[in-house]
Amino acid sequence: KTQVEQSPQSLVVRQGENCVLQCNYSVTPDNHLRWFKQDTGKGLVSLTVLVHENDKTSNGRYSATLDKDAKHSTLHITATLLDDTATYICVVVDRGSALGRLHFGAGTQLIVIP
Amino acid sequence: DMKVTQMPRYLIKRMGENVLLECGQDMSHETMYWYRQDPGLGLQLIYISYDVDSNSEGDIPKGYRVSRKKREHFSLILDSAKTNQTSVYFCASSLSGTGVYEQYFGPGTRLTVL
Repeated sequence: KTQVEQSPQSLVVRQGENCVLQCNYSVTPDNHLRWFKQDTGKGLVSLTVLVHENDKTSNGRYSATLDKDAKHSTLHITATLLDDTATYICVVVDRGSALGRLHFGAGTQLIVIP
Repeated sequence: DMKVTQMPRYLIKRMGENVLLECGQDMSHETMYWYRQDPGLGLQLIYISYDVDSNSEGDIPKGYRVSRKKREHFSLILDSAKTNQTSVYFCASSLSGTGVYEQYFGPGTRLTVL
């Protein structure tokens, strides 16, 4: 059973537009949540980490929120650039595992067009 | 510059052949991971290593084994590869498996088993 669901599966926006990516999860107990960016043919790169209830983070044009009660996170990308074209992956870390087991979403494929 | 390297980047093998995927990291991280990524699925954990000769099965260990004889190197071995092991394999490392430590990913190895 998939424990991390991301939506939309894919998204096309015009350069300069804003977009919002969603992540819902059922992992329990949850420790923290990370958003990764994966360029085509490359490895994953961490964008931000959310740890506490109602955490909000900002990393340049990327900002994220976490609602642990609702088990929901959003990633906002402001004023998109062509280089934002990538797959964005939500990862929830399982606090119940001694080794901090990671649960990966399948990702949202974002395409930014001119 | 913190880095995780993987060799080879691309590999084509015939069914029944043995496969060796190599991973290195220069950050003295304790914990290393092997994942596979298939289209439409989140990354799946094959094995975790939390130090030299201290390895633990992940969610899909069948058909794989690992070796970690030095902290900076972690190998994934497929004895008698199968066509359903065609995938992209990612290695990652983390300072520790617990706590809010970032995972650093390699660029991936694309394995095709014919």
